[in-house]
Amino acid sequence: KAGVTQTPRYLIKTRGQQVTLSCSPISGHRSVSWYQQTPGQGLQFLFEYFSETQRNKGNFPGRFSGRQFSNSRSEMNVSTLELGDSALYLCASSWKEYYNEQFFGPGTRLTVL
Amino acid sequence: EDKVVQSPLSLVVHEGDTVTLNCSYEVTNFRSLLWYKQEKKAPTFLFMLTSSGIEKKSGRLSSILDKKELFSILNITATQTGDSAIYLCAVENGSNYQLIWGAGTKLIIKP
Repeated sequence: KAGVTQTPRYLIKTRGQQVTLSCSPISGHRSVSWYQQTPGQGLQFLFEYFSETQRNKGNFPGRFSGRQFSNSRSEMNVSTLELGDSALYLCASSWKEYYNEQFFGPGTRLTVL
Repeated sequence: EDKVVQSPLSLVVHEGDTVTLNCSYEVTNFRSLLWYKQEKKAPTFLFMLTSSGIEKKSGRLSSILDKKELFSILNITATQTGDSAIYLCAVENGSNYQLIWGAGTKLIIKP
């Protein structure tokens, strides 16, 4: 069974640009969560989608947005990039309506210059 | 406000030692507690605990939950260098389905 996939794996952007990251969950999983991870900050929750609806949102500015498609694939978008947005962005999926076990993708390493 | 606190933040031990990692929480409407191991990239799932006093075990790793005192421990016996990782604890809020994550414990095993 294929795991969670994220594309691209690495990305370099400049300040002010926007970026879109993609996440394909494990087949059958309906919940997709996004996290930002920076050194020393741990996992910071961005948002969670379940059946195309945003169910939860973390404390991030409106520049961070996301969506989920009918096939459960999800995208997150960051507009007007700032240097501080440089981080590893992780996507995780789970098959139940409740979180239980979350399976993580390999992440997208975003560098903002 | 919901919070999860892990201790210690970092730990250095020698191969063969036994370690105990702690996770305490204050989360509205507790539903479950999860442990993950993160080596280089993506965290990998270790255990999910929902009931107090029932130990989950996998090889040299074991974990137990105390819902009265609001904490969990993760034990690793006969540690190996491959156990070096960040160990993350997360607690599920059953009201909004959100996972609240601790900052993690960085474990280093010296040969």
